Amino acid sequence: GNSVTQMEGPVTLSEEAFLTINCTYTATGYPSLFWYVQYPGEGLQLLLKATKADDKGSNKGFEATYRKETTSFHLEKGSVQVSDSAVYFCASFTSGTYKYIFGTGTRLKVLA
Amino acid sequence: SQTIHQWPATLVQPVGSPLSLECTVEGTSNPNLYWYRQAAGRGLQLLFYSVGIGQISSEVPQNLSASRPQDRQFILSSKKLLLSDSGFYLCAWKIGKNTEAFFGQGTRLTVV
Repeated sequence: GNSVTQMEGPVTLSEEAFLTINCTYTATGYPSLFWYVQYPGEGLQLLLKATKADDKGSNKGFEATYRKETTSFHLEKGSVQVSDSAVYFCASFTSGTYKYIFGTGTRLKVLA
Repeated sequence: SQTIHQWPATLVQPVGSPLSLECTVEGTSNPNLYWYRQAAGRGLQLLFYSVGIGQISSEVPQNLSASRPQDRQFILSSKKLLLSDSGFYLCAWKIGKNTEAFFGQGTRLTVV
């Protein structure tokens, strides 16, 4: 079945450090891919998305590129801030299955 | 614009008591609706999804059930709660093929 695997956390970085959170997927067909962010005590918010191979999603300094050849959608940010501290979820959606598949989430803690 | 309402925000229930969590969506028609659970320190587990009124698909066998009595209303229920039902419950909706899902603010359920 379809699945999403993302790196386990927690990830602890100093402010202005470079961030990478790895995400790989398995799917039949060609899924759309998403990164969501969850701040403490809240629901999930869409951070960025990509719907086809080689698409790059970007938002708030975060980027991720849909790599079909490596079935990956790694999240990157060049310079993290304390306010980026949250849990990040990678997700896939394959049309016709009706289901979003989420990774287990990666907790990011940014220290001042 | 579309909005999603989920209530209550927090709930403390004794073991063996019933449960009813409600989710309503405004500003859209015929959405796909989802219930997810997030246990402490774990990822998102898809519990139920619905593609239309009265149509419920269950992903995980358990003592929870879901109903969709109206197009934009999705209810999560249990006749008798277990300690293991504690967690953060999230409702979500989407329309279209490659669009993102939108999440409610969640309900934190503690079974004591």
